[in-house]
Amino acid sequence: GDSVTQMEGPVTLSEEAFLTINCTYTATGYPSLFWYVQYPGEGLQLLLKATKADDKGSNKGFEATYRKETTSFHLEKGSVQVSDSAVYFCALSDGGANSKLTFGKGITLSVRP
Amino acid sequence: KAGVTQTPRYLIKTRGQQVTLSCSPISGHRSVSWYQQTPGQGLQFLFEYFSETQRNKGNFPGRFSGRQFSNSRSEMNVSTLELGDSALYLCASSWAGQGSQETQYFGPGTRLLVL
Repeated sequence: GDSVTQMEGPVTLSEEAFLTINCTYTATGYPSLFWYVQYPGEGLQLLLKATKADDKGSNKGFEATYRKETTSFHLEKGSVQVSDSAVYFCALSDGGANSKLTFGKGITLSVRP
Repeated sequence: KAGVTQTPRYLIKTRGQQVTLSCSPISGHRSVSWYQQTPGQGLQFLFEYFSETQRNKGNFPGRFSGRQFSNSRSEMNVSTLELGDSALYLCASSWAGQGSQETQYFGPGTRLLVL
């Protein structure tokens, strides 16, 4: 079945550091890929998405490119802020008619001033 | 436009009891999905409803059930609660849930603690 693998966490960075969070997936068909973020005490917010190979999703300085050849969707940001501290989830929705999301385990990012 | 709302936000129950959680989707959204989030298992899909019909179901026991009303509001019910049911239950809505490209919008969740 479908699966998403995220790098182990947690990750602690200093403000203005470069961020990379790795995500790889296994899926049949042609999935759409998502990054969701969860701030403390809140639900999930969509950060960005990509629906086909080579698409780049971007939002709030974050970027991720859908790489079919490496089955990856790594999240990057050039300069993190304290306000980026949260839990980040990579997810996929399979290429069929349903909207079920399969999530990775999530990774906690802490940014210190 | 108001977001997805879930009630109650927090619940404490004891083993063997049952619980009902409610979700109101974004206005105009007709698809509602439910997810369970636990530290051990992460985020897992429970089920999805569209036009009052269950359209997709995850791998959970029959103690977990749900329904959707004509106004798209949804409820999920867990009967005979077990300690392992303690989790954050998240509801997500989308316009039609048709196709994997559609964005799902999540509510803040209901945190259930089973003692």
